[in-house]
Amino acid sequence: QVQLQESGPGLVKPSQTLSLTCTVSGGSISSGGYYWSWIRQHPGKGLEWIGYIYYSGSTYYNPSLKSRVTISVDTSKNQFSLKLSSVTAADTAVYYCARDSWNGDYEDYWGQGTLVIVSS
Amino acid sequence: EIVLTQSPGTLSLSPGERATLSCRASQSVSSSYLAWYQLKPGQAPRLLIYGASSRATGIPDRFSGSGSGTDFTLTISRLEPEDFAVYYCQQYGSSPRTFGGGTKVEIK
Repeated sequence: QVQLQESGPGLVKPSQTLSLTCTVSGGSISSGGYYWSWIRQHPGKGLEWIGYIYYSGSTYYNPSLKSRVTISVDTSKNQFSLKLSSVTAADTAVYYCARDSWNGDYEDYWGQGTLVIVSS
Repeated sequence: EIVLTQSPGTLSLSPGERATLSCRASQSVSSSYLAWYQLKPGQAPRLLIYGASSRATGIPDRFSGSGSGTDFTLTISRLEPEDFAVYYCQQYGSSPRTFGGGTKVEIK
């Protein structure tokens, strides 16, 4: 069974870059066939899809965040990462990593999520 | 982008009752590419339904999805104690994929 675990700082200062890593176990990113996504949930609000990456490094980002987002992959560590630059309080959220299903652009396995607070 | 509106915002029901959750899209969802997820605090979100009506692996048959076009429904036939949670719909037929605002199913 695939498991995903997010890690990274829980507190980021405004204007800095938020950096998170997702470690995948129970399956290999480099085996291909799946896209790997980041999603976030603002406190008390709905979910927002951020973007995804393939093991080859190809990416697609939500246009609303595209100018500030970078998703990368490290197949040697079976990890993929999120960087969000120039953060503000509006970026405070629970950040989830997830695996896209092989047969559609929906997420079939998710991490538990990690809360990132943007505050000075 | 497609906006998904879920209703009601909160559903107060007792165990054993039937829950009917609605998800309405601002435009037609391509090929019924709609999914439903269950979220509980501190837990990984759980995929329930994909393709509007297909149950994900291991999901009990008390969960069912229906609908097409712009109107979709998640039905829980008989609520179990572990079903009290927040449910989100997601469309993945149009980029970017988007989620609804969620429906909280709470114990009455």
